[in-house]
Amino acid sequence: ILNVEQSPQSLHVQEGDSTNFTCSFPSSNFYALHWYRWETAKSPEALFVMTLNGDEKKKGRISATLNTKEGYSYLYIKGSQPEDSATYLCALKLIFGTGTRLQVFP
Amino acid sequence: SQTIHQWPATLVQPVGSPLSLECTVEGTSNPNLYWYRQAAGRGLQLLFYSVGIGQISSEVPQNLSASRPQDRQFILSSKKLLLSDSGFYLCAWSVGPAYGYTFGSGTRLTVV
Repeated sequence: ILNVEQSPQSLHVQEGDSTNFTCSFPSSNFYALHWYRWETAKSPEALFVMTLNGDEKKKGRISATLNTKEGYSYLYIKGSQPEDSATYLCALKLIFGTGTRLQVFP
Repeated sequence: SQTIHQWPATLVQPVGSPLSLECTVEGTSNPNLYWYRQAAGRGLQLLFYSVGIGQISSEVPQNLSASRPQDRQFILSSKKLLLSDSGFYLCAWSVGPAYGYTFGSGTRLTVV
């Protein structure tokens, strides 16, 4: 069974802080990695699809990197805002990690 | 544009009662369809996926079943609900594994 792990499980930061979290996966048979943002009472929203080793994607203050050889992806949020509060999920081959729950305090 | 509809939004059902959750997709043909569940305190667990009409793959043994009677319709069912079936159910579609999922709005099921 494919094991997709995310860390930390939760994160509390102050508004304006930058933060990052990790998605780890087996490096063999890599195909594509997806990042999602999931706000409470809403459905997950796609952030990035990453396919190539060394990929870097950016959307506003959020960016992600991918290392398929060592089996990890980082998600970065620069200058966190309260509206960034959500659970961030990564997924590989239909399997989701348990997510990192981010809370940004004003 | 493509849209995905999932209903109902919330459901409270007694133990032993049947279940039917429906998901439909518009604006695309032959989508890959998925049912996920988030149980309390846990991540998203893949329950079923389908690559075509009548083709259902089950990922975990459980009290649930899925059917795809039409190209853009995916139904999650149970004959007799258990307390452990409570959770948040999400339907999703995708054109393929290299593309992201688009999720429905979810159904909060509470079995009492």
